[in-house]
Amino acid sequence: DTAVSQTPKYLVTQMGNDKSIKCEQNLGHDTMYWYKQDSKKFLKIMFSYNNKELIINETVPNRFSPKSPDKAHLNLHINSLELGDSAVYFCASSPLGLVEAFFGQGTRLTVV
Amino acid sequence: SQQGEEDPQALSIQEGENATMNCSYKTSINNLQWYRQNSGRGLVHLILIRSNEREKHSGRLRVTLDTSKKSSSLLITASRAADTASYFCATESNDYKLSFGAGTTVTVRA
Repeated sequence: DTAVSQTPKYLVTQMGNDKSIKCEQNLGHDTMYWYKQDSKKFLKIMFSYNNKELIINETVPNRFSPKSPDKAHLNLHINSLELGDSAVYFCASSPLGLVEAFFGQGTRLTVV
Repeated sequence: SQQGEEDPQALSIQEGENATMNCSYKTSINNLQWYRQNSGRGLVHLILIRSNEREKHSGRLRVTLDTSKKSSSLLITASRAADTASYFCATESNDYKLSFGAGTTVTVRA
């Protein structure tokens, strides 16, 4: 009964491929996020959805497209993968008011 | 842009000692939160302090907030080997965004 689960945990793929990472939360939260953590551990927000609606879209290449089919799911699709996309991607969710965010275990993406 | 910056980047202490790390941020906030990340895992929420609070305690954790200096500190008392992790501060403003820094890596030696 994991609160925020994302799959896969590891993803190794070649440059130019398209891949998706899935995220699901069973906490009943309205808000979900995608974060990217680089090799220096810096966590940068990419997207935020509130009740299936996109509310934050940081400066992220168009190759990244989030999709929220319902408020419990926020998937991340990445087109034409580049070496610089290698990082750990975290999904998170929070109740309205952002008093606490719950994170998934992360997806380590390696582009070769 | 990066909102929170933690200092120091890394900290190594002996078991039983206290660990103190600091966080500075740039814009006005609603609250500031501290998270822990164990190696290879997701972040776990530790404590939240609101902008109108100056100090908060939770078990062996003590957090202070100085909004005039836009800074916060996290103190872990009587550290244990299990406290070895990276610690991140995160600030929440009025835009549904939780902004993190690069964290402080704490190593507690047995």
